[in-house]
Amino acid sequence: AQTVTQSQPEMSVQEAETVTLSCTYDTSESNYYLFWYKQPPSRQMILVIRQEAYKQQNATENRFSVNFQKAAKSFSLKISDSQLGDTAMYFCAFRGSTLGRLYFGRGTQLTVWP
Amino acid sequence: EAQVTQNPRYLITVTGKKLTVTCSQNMNHEYMSWYRQDPGLGLRQIYYSMNVEVTDKGDVPEGYKVSRKEKRNFPLILESPSPNQTSLYFCASSPSAGRLNEQYFGPGTRLTVT
Repeated sequence: AQTVTQSQPEMSVQEAETVTLSCTYDTSESNYYLFWYKQPPSRQMILVIRQEAYKQQNATENRFSVNFQKAAKSFSLKISDSQLGDTAMYFCAFRGSTLGRLYFGRGTQLTVWP
Repeated sequence: EAQVTQNPRYLITVTGKKLTVTCSQNMNHEYMSWYRQDPGLGLRQIYYSMNVEVTDKGDVPEGYKVSRKEKRNFPLILESPSPNQTSLYFCASSPSAGRLNEQYFGPGTRLTVT
């Protein structure tokens, strides 16, 4: 089974600042997908960003960007200009060659304070 | 409106009393999946279904059953619930297993087994 590790159970950042959430994964596969999901207090799961392993360019979605280091098996999420609405649990997830299987990390609770 | 619905949203039950959590999607998706979320453990996949009559185990299938008799529904059955199945459960669907980036999650079912 693939493993996904989020080493920061909790983080906090002041509004308008930048924060980076870390994620590492373990796989022997070369083609795979990585995701970051956001879960606000409403418990809804929201896809924030995804990265295909074959793409060298880091994915970006507005204020959210990733730093994908394939050799290091690292996939961090950077949130710029943090907003109060970014307060949520963030999960890193991995999809490999086994279709339908999705592996999640344990999550990082991010709090954005005024 | 495209959505995944789960019922019930909240359930408190006793050990050994069979229960079913229903999941339905209105997007004609082929792929559906069940996850459980526990504090400190993130989301773990229970079962998934690539299409009607095709189901497969995820990471934590023990104590659960599923069936996929029709495309839109994917119920989760707990034949004899135990306290360690107290958790937050999510159903999800996507157009296919290879398109998990388009996965829709249901609102979650909070289950407590006493």
